[in-house]
Amino acid sequence: AQKVTQAQTEISVVEKEDVTLDCVYETRDTTYYLFWYKQPPSGELVFLIRRNSFDEQNEISGRYSWNFQKSTSSFNFTITASQVVDSAVYFCALSGNNFNKFYFGSGTKLNVKP
Amino acid sequence: NAGVTQTPKFQVLKTGQSMTLQCAQDMNHEYMSWYRQDPGMGLRLIHYSVGAGITDQGEVPNGYNVSRSTTEDFPLRLLSAAPSQTSVYFCASSYKGRAAIYGYTFGSGTRLTVV
Repeated sequence: AQKVTQAQTEISVVEKEDVTLDCVYETRDTTYYLFWYKQPPSGELVFLIRRNSFDEQNEISGRYSWNFQKSTSSFNFTITASQVVDSAVYFCALSGNNFNKFYFGSGTKLNVKP
Repeated sequence: NAGVTQTPKFQVLKTGQSMTLQCAQDMNHEYMSWYRQDPGMGLRLIHYSVGAGITDQGEVPNGYNVSRSTTEDFPLRLLSAAPSQTSVYFCASSYKGRAAIYGYTFGSGTRLTVV
């Protein structure tokens, strides 16, 4: 079975703080893909990153970084020096090798206060 | 503009009414899917299609029908609306190569209320 768990329902931080959003996944596939999406208050879903199961290198993109650890089935997302514009709901998602189906976590709402 | 277009953006239905949510993409994507988003539950897959004429059920298909007569269009039909179908509906598309790189391209969503 495929499953994504985002245990943090809501997180509040003050601007410039660092924040980590947790994502734990379950899958029996040997090849799979993990994604993060951002949903700002306007409601659209914005792709942030993809990582495949063979690539455990961490990735940094500006203030965003992702830590993928197969040993703990986790794909955590860190925002450094958070900004008010980072306030959104963030979803972690999992897809098998066929990309027909994406399994989403329940989302983490991030509130960044000025 | 290229992308996934969903109509309508908002809809209010009475219990028992039927309606069709429209979804169209102009990127020649093979894969199209419908998700519903409910508070605290993330996005759940309703139906998906891997090409024209091919559809299959997702996690929560009951009460919904789909068809895919063309590559571009993937309408979602509510047969007899129920209050439990009050949700935000997202259509998404991708092709396998692109899906591997970028994941889905989502439409802007349809907010449906069933009273």
